[in-house]
Amino acid sequence: DAGVIQSPRHEVTEMGQEVTLRCKPISGHNSLFWYRQTMMRGLELLIYFNNNVPIDDSGMPEDRFSAKMPNASFSTLKIQPSEPRDSAVYFCASRAGDEKLFFGSGTQLSVL
Amino acid sequence: DQQVKQNSPSLSVQEGRISILNCDYTNSMFDYFLWYKKYPAEGPTFLISISSIKDKNEDGRFTVFLNKSAKHLSLHIVPSQPGDSAVYFCAASATGTYKYIFGTGTRLKVLA
Repeated sequence: DAGVIQSPRHEVTEMGQEVTLRCKPISGHNSLFWYRQTMMRGLELLIYFNNNVPIDDSGMPEDRFSAKMPNASFSTLKIQPSEPRDSAVYFCASRAGDEKLFFGSGTQLSVL
Repeated sequence: DQQVKQNSPSLSVQEGRISILNCDYTNSMFDYFLWYKKYPAEGPTFLISISSIKDKNEDGRFTVFLNKSAKHLSLHIVPSQPGDSAVYFCAASATGTYKYIFGTGTRLKVLA
Protein backbone atom coordinates (compact mmCIF):
# COMPACT_ATOMS: atom_id res chain seq x y z
CA ASP A 1 0.00 0.00 0.00
CA ALA A 2 1.25 3.51 -0.86
CA GLY A 3 0.16 4.97 2.45
CA VAL A 4 -1.62 8.28 2.90
CA ILE A 5 -0.87 10.52 -0.06
CA GLN A 6 -0.94 14.30 0.22
CA SER A 7 -0.48 16.96 -2.43
CA PRO A 8 1.12 19.32 -2.98
CA ARG A 9 4.21 18.77 -0.80
CA HIS A 10 4.91 22.49 -0.78
CA GLU A 11 2.65 25.44 -1.46
CA VAL A 12 3.72 29.05 -1.56
CA THR A 13 1.00 31.60 -2.09
CA GLU A 14 0.21 35.22 -1.48
CA MET A 15 -2.10 36.52 1.17
CA GLY A 16 -5.70 36.55 0.01
CA GLN A 17 -5.34 33.66 -2.41
CA GLU A 18 -7.29 30.42 -2.18
CA VAL A 19 -5.34 27.32 -1.17
CA THR A 20 -6.51 23.73 -1.63
CA LEU A 21 -4.74 20.82 0.02
CA ARG A 22 -5.50 17.27 -1.08
CA CYS A 23 -5.42 13.88 0.60
CA LYS A 24 -5.90 10.28 -0.46
CA PRO A 25 -6.31 8.01 2.60
CA ILE A 26 -5.23 4.40 2.80
CA SER A 27 -7.72 2.15 1.05
CA GLY A 28 -10.11 0.56 3.51
CA HIS A 29 -9.61 3.16 6.22
CA ASN A 30 -12.91 4.64 7.34
CA SER A 31 -11.65 7.61 9.35
CA LEU A 32 -9.78 10.64 8.08
CA PHE A 33 -8.20 13.46 10.06
CA TRP A 34 -6.67 16.81 9.12
CA TYR A 35 -3.99 18.12 11.49
CA ARG A 36 -1.92 21.29 11.50
CA GLN A 37 1.56 21.39 12.99
CA THR A 38 2.96 24.59 14.49
CA MET A 39 5.83 25.18 16.87
CA MET A 40 3.60 26.67 19.52
CA ARG A 41 0.73 24.18 19.49
CA GLY A 42 2.25 21.01 18.09
CA LEU A 43 -0.19 18.82 16.17
CA GLU A 44 -3.68 20.32 16.30
CA LEU A 45 -6.72 18.40 15.08
CA LEU A 46 -8.67 20.50 12.60
CA ILE A 47 -11.42 18.15 11.46
CA TYR A 48 -12.39 14.49 11.63
CA PHE A 49 -14.41 12.48 9.08
CA ASN A 50 -15.93 9.06 9.69
CA ASN A 51 -17.27 7.17 6.68
CA ASN A 52 -16.95 10.39 4.64
CA VAL A 53 -19.12 12.38 7.06
CA PRO A 54 -17.64 15.32 9.02
CA ILE A 55 -18.05 14.43 12.69
CA ASP A 56 -16.09 17.13 14.47
CA ASP A 57 -14.87 20.38 12.91
CA SER A 58 -14.42 22.25 16.18
CA GLY A 59 -10.70 22.58 15.51
CA MET A 60 -11.17 24.49 12.27
CA PRO A 61 -9.82 27.91 13.23
CA GLU A 62 -12.11 30.15 11.22
CA ASP A 63 -14.75 30.22 8.53
CA ARG A 64 -11.94 30.71 6.06
CA PHE A 65 -11.19 27.01 6.51
CA SER A 66 -13.38 24.32 4.99
CA ALA A 67 -12.96 20.59 4.35
CA LYS A 68 -14.77 18.07 2.22
CA MET A 69 -14.68 14.33 1.71
CA PRO A 70 -16.76 13.56 -1.40
CA ASN A 71 -15.82 9.86 -1.35
CA ALA A 72 -13.82 7.34 0.64
CA SER A 73 -10.64 7.95 -1.32
CA PHE A 74 -10.35 11.74 -1.41
CA SER A 75 -10.49 14.74 0.88
CA THR A 76 -9.67 18.42 0.51
CA LEU A 77 -8.86 21.19 2.96
CA LYS A 78 -9.43 24.67 1.58
CA ILE A 79 -8.36 28.03 2.94
CA GLN A 80 -10.01 31.07 1.38
CA PRO A 81 -8.70 33.73 1.73
CA SER A 82 -5.32 32.64 3.06
CA GLU A 83 -3.37 34.71 5.60
CA PRO A 84 0.29 34.63 6.69
CA ARG A 85 -0.67 33.12 10.07
CA ASP A 86 -1.98 30.05 8.22
CA SER A 87 1.60 29.13 7.35
CA ALA A 88 2.24 25.69 8.84
CA VAL A 89 2.58 22.03 7.91
CA TYR A 90 -0.78 20.40 7.28
CA PHE A 91 -1.07 16.64 7.74
CA CYS A 92 -3.74 14.25 6.69
CA ALA A 93 -4.08 10.95 8.57
CA SER A 94 -6.33 7.93 8.22
CA ARG A 95 -7.29 5.01 10.39
CA ALA A 96 -9.26 1.78 10.23
CA GLY A 97 -11.57 1.39 13.22
CA ASP A 98 -9.69 1.94 16.47
CA GLU A 99 -6.29 1.25 15.01
CA LYS A 100 -3.44 3.71 15.14
CA LEU A 101 -3.24 6.73 12.87
CA PHE A 102 -1.23 6.68 9.66
CA PHE A 103 -0.01 10.08 8.54
CA GLY A 104 0.82 11.44 5.12
CA SER A 105 4.03 13.35 4.46
CA GLY A 106 2.31 16.69 4.91
CA THR A 107 1.95 19.91 2.94
CA GLN A 108 4.27 22.76 3.88
CA LEU A 109 2.19 25.91 3.36
CA SER A 110 3.76 29.35 3.21
CA VAL A 111 1.49 32.37 2.86
CA LEU A 112 3.43 35.52 2.03
CA ASP B 1 -5.68 24.48 27.21
CA GLN B 2 -2.93 22.00 26.45
CA GLN B 3 -4.13 18.62 27.72
CA VAL B 4 -0.92 16.86 26.70
CA LYS B 5 2.34 18.60 27.52
CA GLN B 6 5.89 17.92 26.49
CA ASN B 7 7.82 20.50 28.46
CA SER B 8 11.23 19.81 26.93
CA PRO B 9 11.40 21.16 23.39
CA SER B 10 14.77 19.53 22.80
CA LEU B 11 17.15 16.93 24.18
CA SER B 12 20.70 15.94 23.27
CA VAL B 13 22.15 12.56 24.20
CA GLN B 14 25.40 10.77 23.42
CA GLU B 15 25.20 7.68 21.24
CA GLY B 16 24.87 4.55 23.35
CA ARG B 17 23.37 6.33 26.33
CA ILE B 18 19.74 6.39 27.44
CA SER B 19 17.29 8.94 26.08
CA ILE B 20 14.32 9.78 28.28
CA LEU B 21 11.47 11.79 26.82
CA ASN B 22 8.70 12.96 29.12
CA CYS B 23 5.02 13.72 28.69
CA ASP B 24 2.36 14.96 31.12
CA TYR B 25 -1.40 14.95 30.68
CA THR B 26 -4.25 16.58 32.55
CA ASN B 27 -7.36 14.66 31.49
CA SER B 28 -8.01 11.68 33.79
CA MET B 29 -10.26 10.15 31.12
CA PHE B 30 -7.26 9.40 28.89
CA ASP B 31 -6.60 5.66 28.91
CA TYR B 32 -4.51 5.05 25.81
CA PHE B 33 -1.19 6.68 25.07
CA LEU B 34 1.08 6.62 22.04
CA TRP B 35 4.44 7.90 20.92
CA TYR B 36 5.02 8.99 17.35
CA LYS B 37 8.36 9.75 15.73
CA LYS B 38 8.83 12.33 13.01
CA TYR B 39 11.75 12.85 10.66
CA PRO B 40 12.11 16.12 8.69
CA ALA B 41 9.88 16.34 5.62
CA GLU B 42 8.00 13.19 6.63
CA GLY B 43 4.77 12.52 8.47
CA PRO B 44 4.76 11.18 12.04
CA THR B 45 5.03 7.40 12.29
CA PHE B 46 3.77 5.24 15.12
CA LEU B 47 6.44 4.04 17.54
CA ILE B 48 4.90 2.47 20.63
CA SER B 49 1.73 2.62 22.71
CA ILE B 50 0.47 1.74 26.18
CA SER B 51 -2.94 1.14 27.68
CA SER B 52 -3.79 2.46 31.11
CA ILE B 53 -4.14 -1.10 32.43
CA LYS B 54 -0.38 -1.41 32.13
CA ASP B 55 2.45 0.59 33.60
CA LYS B 56 5.12 -0.51 31.14
CA ASN B 57 5.37 -1.61 27.54
CA GLU B 58 8.58 -2.62 25.83
CA ASP B 59 9.49 -3.02 22.17
CA GLY B 60 13.14 -3.62 21.49
CA ARG B 61 15.13 -0.55 22.45
CA PHE B 62 11.97 1.42 23.25
CA THR B 63 10.09 1.28 26.55
CA VAL B 64 7.16 3.42 27.59
CA PHE B 65 6.35 3.86 31.28
CA LEU B 66 3.01 5.12 32.56
CA ASN B 67 2.43 6.63 36.00
CA LYS B 68 -1.32 7.16 36.23
CA SER B 69 -1.31 8.79 39.64
CA ALA B 70 1.13 11.43 38.40
CA LYS B 71 -0.50 11.61 34.96
CA HIS B 72 2.93 11.17 33.48
CA LEU B 73 4.48 8.95 30.86
CA SER B 74 7.97 8.61 29.57
CA LEU B 75 9.71 7.03 26.61
CA HIS B 76 13.09 5.40 27.19
CA ILE B 77 15.42 4.62 24.31
CA VAL B 78 18.34 2.36 25.19
CA PRO B 79 20.87 2.43 23.67
CA SER B 80 20.33 5.63 21.72
CA GLN B 81 21.51 5.66 18.10
CA PRO B 82 22.11 8.56 15.68
CA GLY B 83 19.18 7.32 13.59
CA ASP B 84 16.89 8.02 16.56
CA SER B 85 17.40 11.75 16.03
CA ALA B 86 13.90 13.02 15.28
CA VAL B 87 10.96 14.84 16.85
CA TYR B 88 8.94 12.67 19.22
CA PHE B 89 5.26 13.37 19.85
CA CYS B 90 3.28 12.03 22.76
CA ALA B 91 -0.46 11.49 22.18
CA ALA B 92 -3.39 10.47 24.35
CA SER B 93 -6.95 9.36 23.82
CA ALA B 94 -9.96 8.16 25.79
CA THR B 95 -11.91 4.96 25.10
CA GLY B 96 -14.90 5.59 22.90
CA THR B 97 -13.50 8.78 21.44
CA TYR B 98 -11.80 9.24 18.12
CA LYS B 99 -9.47 12.03 19.11
CA TYR B 100 -5.77 11.69 19.67
CA ILE B 101 -4.53 14.77 21.52
CA PHE B 102 -0.90 15.43 20.69
CA GLY B 103 1.79 17.27 22.60
CA THR B 104 4.08 19.88 21.05
CA GLY B 105 6.93 17.43 20.52
CA THR B 106 10.50 16.98 21.75
CA ARG B 107 13.39 17.17 19.33
CA LEU B 108 15.93 14.45 20.16
CA LYS B 109 19.47 14.71 18.88
CA VAL B 110 21.73 11.70 19.37
CA LEU B 111 25.37 12.69 19.08
CA ALA B 112 27.82 10.25 17.52
